[in-house]
Amino acid sequence: DAGVIQSPRHEVTEMGQEVTLRCKPISGHNSLFWYRQTMMRGLELLIYFNNNVPIDDSGMPEDRFSAKMPNASFSTLKIQPSEPRDSAVYFCASSFRGSNYGYTFGSGTRLTVV
Amino acid sequence: AQKVTQAQTEISVVEKEDVTLDCVYETRDTTYYLFWYKQPPSGELVFLIRRNSFDEQNEISGRYSWNFQKSTSSFNFTITASQVVDSAVYFCALSVPSNDYKLSFGAGTTVTVRA
Repeated sequence: DAGVIQSPRHEVTEMGQEVTLRCKPISGHNSLFWYRQTMMRGLELLIYFNNNVPIDDSGMPEDRFSAKMPNASFSTLKIQPSEPRDSAVYFCASSFRGSNYGYTFGSGTRLTVV
Repeated sequence: AQKVTQAQTEISVVEKEDVTLDCVYETRDTTYYLFWYKQPPSGELVFLIRRNSFDEQNEISGRYSWNFQKSTSSFNFTITASQVVDSAVYFCALSVPSNDYKLSFGAGTTVTVRA
């Protein structure tokens, strides 16, 4: 199993540009989570999906953030327009829905907005 | 609501010393699950252990051990004979059925092991 795959690993972009982060969950997992990690706020859950349906997006900071899961093997997190305060590490994780076994995390995308 | 508190922000030790990381949790669920994750300098989040609320046995895995005490709502983690490779941020997390098993993370403890 290749694990949760995120791309790109690093992204540097200019303020105002659109940024798209990508995630491929573990095959068979039906829950997918997007987290943001910063020094100030630690690990924050942004949004999660069950069976490709967004369940809770209350952690999405602003309307500039959007997430989609068009199928069971792919999800995107988009920031448009990006701002310097969006600089963070973004993690994707997947699990079996209702599983008490925790999540498997991807390697993360380090986003820098200049 | 669920809450995980890791009161220690940073711990620095010399190699071969033991280090204990504290984790205190809060939940009203009677069934719950506790986790520890490691985040080394490379940045990935690595699962270390999962413990359910009905199993209070302590666990040992090599130099790692975990002490689960429901009476004090704590799930502490000890690294014995620490090594430089243990330098990382360690996160304690909690999941409960009433919250759809979403993980609630503590703030993390940064462990630095000096040679």
